[in-house]
Amino acid sequence: GESVGLHLPTLSVQEGDNSIINCAYSNSASDYFIWYKQESGKGPQFIIDIRSNMDKRQGQRVTVLLNKTVKHLSLQIAATQPGDSAVYFCAETIASGGYNKLIFGAGTRLAVHP
Amino acid sequence: GAVVSQHPSWVICKSGTSVKIECRSLDFQATTMFWYRQFPKQSLMLMATSNEGSKATYEQGVEKDKFLINHASLTLSTLTVTSAHPEDSSFYICSARYRTPPLYEQYFGPGTRLTVT
Repeated sequence: GESVGLHLPTLSVQEGDNSIINCAYSNSASDYFIWYKQESGKGPQFIIDIRSNMDKRQGQRVTVLLNKTVKHLSLQIAATQPGDSAVYFCAETIASGGYNKLIFGAGTRLAVHP
Repeated sequence: GAVVSQHPSWVICKSGTSVKIECRSLDFQATTMFWYRQFPKQSLMLMATSNEGSKATYEQGVEKDKFLINHASLTLSTLTVTSAHPEDSSFYICSARYRTPPLYEQYFGPGTRLTVT
């Protein structure tokens, strides 16, 4: 299957600080992107999404930025809390064979320290 | 709403046996379901896409005769790992997409941990 990378970098932050998680996507034709949070032993949990006609979208404590020129996504988490500790994945929607499929990036582990 | 369940949540089987994993959309109808595999400390890798009533579409490198997928109804898809081997041990996650727009909404199950001894 398709995949992007096999390593899992870690971002360590202090509780209360802002976190920025980055992701590079592969397909310039992708038009929809999603950030997921995955806790140990669980399935991915939707955080926020953005379409390619936007460059920024805000949610509660989270902001996603999209730079199509360099095929880059970022997830900003404000006032990071211990409960934010998890692995974060970006995913891009790729059209294939008449339907859309989600392809996940490599992921980043966020470790929040008190 | 939009809950996807998987059963079992974990399973241990002996090498050479087959194991079936169920994925159900509990409160919506899903025309399309997806199966992913995730090895420790790695990302989710798409294995196959299944549409209700038709054959599954497998990603490159995924053996369709080993990973049998059946999407019998709009709320149920099954993945059967046939003649399992220790290297098939992994976390298997399904997701289901809404039947009606917005077409992009896709929800994930809690995953099934398969251990082959």
